[in-house]
Amino acid sequence: NAGVTQTPKFRILKIGQSMTLQCTQDMNHNYMYWYRQDPGMGLKLIYYSVGAGITDKGEVPNGYNVSRSTTEDFPLRLELAAPSQTSVYFCASSQHGRELFFGEGSRLTVL
Amino acid sequence: DQQVKQNSPSLSVQEGRISILNCDYTNSMFDYFLWYKKYPAEGPTFLISISSIKDKNEDGRFTVFLNKSAKHLSLHIVPSQPGDSAVYFCAARVSGSARQLTFGSGTQLTVLP
Repeated sequence: NAGVTQTPKFRILKIGQSMTLQCTQDMNHNYMYWYRQDPGMGLKLIYYSVGAGITDKGEVPNGYNVSRSTTEDFPLRLELAAPSQTSVYFCASSQHGRELFFGEGSRLTVL
Repeated sequence: DQQVKQNSPSLSVQEGRISILNCDYTNSMFDYFLWYKKYPAEGPTFLISISSIKDKNEDGRFTVFLNKSAKHLSLHIVPSQPGDSAVYFCAARVSGSARQLTFGSGTQLTVLP
């Protein structure tokens, strides 16, 4: 049982490039989330999904897009990368919303 | 506007003693509170939670206390062990909010052997 898997673990982007952070879960959870964590800060919600085909914005959605075509996958797309998007990104899933299961994180640096 | 605040960025405790981590919140609509533990280069892992209808929840060495009138919760770890050294995040959820969690900024706990 792998839980929540994120790829890649590390990535360096140049300003203006685009990329997709992949997230997949094998627990058949309905809810999925993308958070970012900046140094010395808590996790801030970027986007979330309550089921396949349904997504909504969180606290800091600007510069990102998501899709949820299946229950398992919830990719996060960064368009036109900016230095402000340098962060550690965490994907999480939840069945009943009482506790979230997190992936190991993806560290992104934009230069 | 930080709705969940952890005012102590770090805490050092001697092995075997009690660790007390604190968290304050401002949103009275929060109905469920959680503590997560995070080791370096890993994702946060769920530790313990409490519903707003309770004032205490215990799980082994970990106890969470909730004071709704003061909008304050705390995590007690007794006895503290070196393996407890990690960053601890407090999180809260608004009822009916699609289960979104709002996180505090975390407290780095160091348990000294």
